[in-house]
Amino acid sequence: EAQVTQNPRYLITVTGKKLTVTCSQNMNHEYMSWYRQDPGLGLRQIYYSMNVEVTDKGDVPEGYKVSRKEKRNFPLILESPSPNQTSLYFCASRSIAGEVEQYFGPGTRLTVT
Amino acid sequence: RKEVEQDPGPFNVPEGATVAFNCTYSNSASQSFFWYRQDCRKEPKLLMSVYSSGNEDGRFTAQLNRASQYISLLIRDSKLSDSATYLCVVNNDMRFGAGTRLTVKP
Repeated sequence: EAQVTQNPRYLITVTGKKLTVTCSQNMNHEYMSWYRQDPGLGLRQIYYSMNVEVTDKGDVPEGYKVSRKEKRNFPLILESPSPNQTSLYFCASRSIAGEVEQYFGPGTRLTVT
Repeated sequence: RKEVEQDPGPFNVPEGATVAFNCTYSNSASQSFFWYRQDCRKEPKLLMSVYSSGNEDGRFTAQLNRASQYISLLIRDSKLSDSATYLCVVNNDMRFGAGTRLTVKP
């Protein structure tokens, strides 16, 4: 089954404690991205990657890091989480061929206290 | 001005009603347009792409107006199951609108 998986689905953590949210896709997609979704603000792109070892900042990259060492994985790293990073996070992937559908993971609800 | 703007709603309509949402975009060079549907606390899923000539999928019709830089989604004969948030997406870098919330009531 074609899918994007994220882990963990829910996480409550404390300020400053480094965390990683994993994202994996099994569709051999070149393009992967991370979004955060906040009430009234919609989905905002954090980082994206066009292919292995190629990553770029989205609209709200501050406080986040990513890596793309393998095509299928695109982890999101919060080195020192802060309460303003409490949000719902989605990973997504798509092929770069043409105007095609983007597939989303199920989301990770992060709370930073 | 935001790149993609939507009326957040909520739109509350009775079953069987016709409802339409608009979404405006600021980048006149935008080439691709989509409507996604998002159920509460779930991931967005593609509802339909929007083609230059307009397109229809069952009860759903999408249209593009390049001159005025907006896309629209029309839902006919609304069902309870249409209750969701509808997100418009512009371009392959996936600029999302904040979403329009629709509630269809019996």
